[in-house]
Amino acid sequence: QKEVEQNSGPLSVPEGAIASLNCTYSDRGSQSFFWYRQYSGKSPELIMFIYSNGDKEDGRFTAQLNKASQYVSLLIRDSQPSDSATYLCAVVMDSSYKLIFGSGTRLLVRP
Amino acid sequence: EAGVVQSPRYKIIEKKQPVAFWCNPISGHNTLYWYRQNLGQGPELLIRYENEEAVDDSQLPKDRFSAERLKGVDSTLKIQPAELGDSAVYLCASSGLAANNEQFFGPGTRLTVL
Repeated sequence: QKEVEQNSGPLSVPEGAIASLNCTYSDRGSQSFFWYRQYSGKSPELIMFIYSNGDKEDGRFTAQLNKASQYVSLLIRDSQPSDSATYLCAVVMDSSYKLIFGSGTRLLVRP
Repeated sequence: EAGVVQSPRYKIIEKKQPVAFWCNPISGHNTLYWYRQNLGQGPELLIRYENEEAVDDSQLPKDRFSAERLKGVDSTLKIQPAELGDSAVYLCASSGLAANNEQFFGPGTRLTVL
């Protein structure tokens, strides 16, 4: 079992729709959760981080964390073609600093 | 604020040749990371430095890979000899003292081994 799992996609949504990206992780002691966006040929850039159960909103982005289910998600409202990218979920396992990445979900927003 | 700088951006070599990558982190960032990203995968940590000390190199294939960060600022990652399976993007990242330990990535070096 991979430590951080994501559906590879592509997830295709029409412009203006809500895109929902999901991630599960194996280490129940994980404390910190990150979403990175990676455009093709570019390096990852951090868009959201979350530590506590519940929702965290930042503009059009909402991160949701459920530690009991070991599940973290990213919602993108009013999706734009410029949101088309690969979204990487990353988890800091237990008390270590180490960031473990999922394989990413490719999002395609259709104009 | 300048970001993480890496060079070269692209490198094509034949197998068994040596190759080196250079990284200059964001000014003031004490922690430096080298990752390898294979196509369709997320980045995987190779080595982490705190200042000039390698505090985690458990994922570094030490038979052919080496790294250094002599003055606690810029760093070099070397592969000798390179193998076909080393073709990947090598990413450098750095982090400072932010509570969320945000890691800032450089543009990466795309290595192709023929």
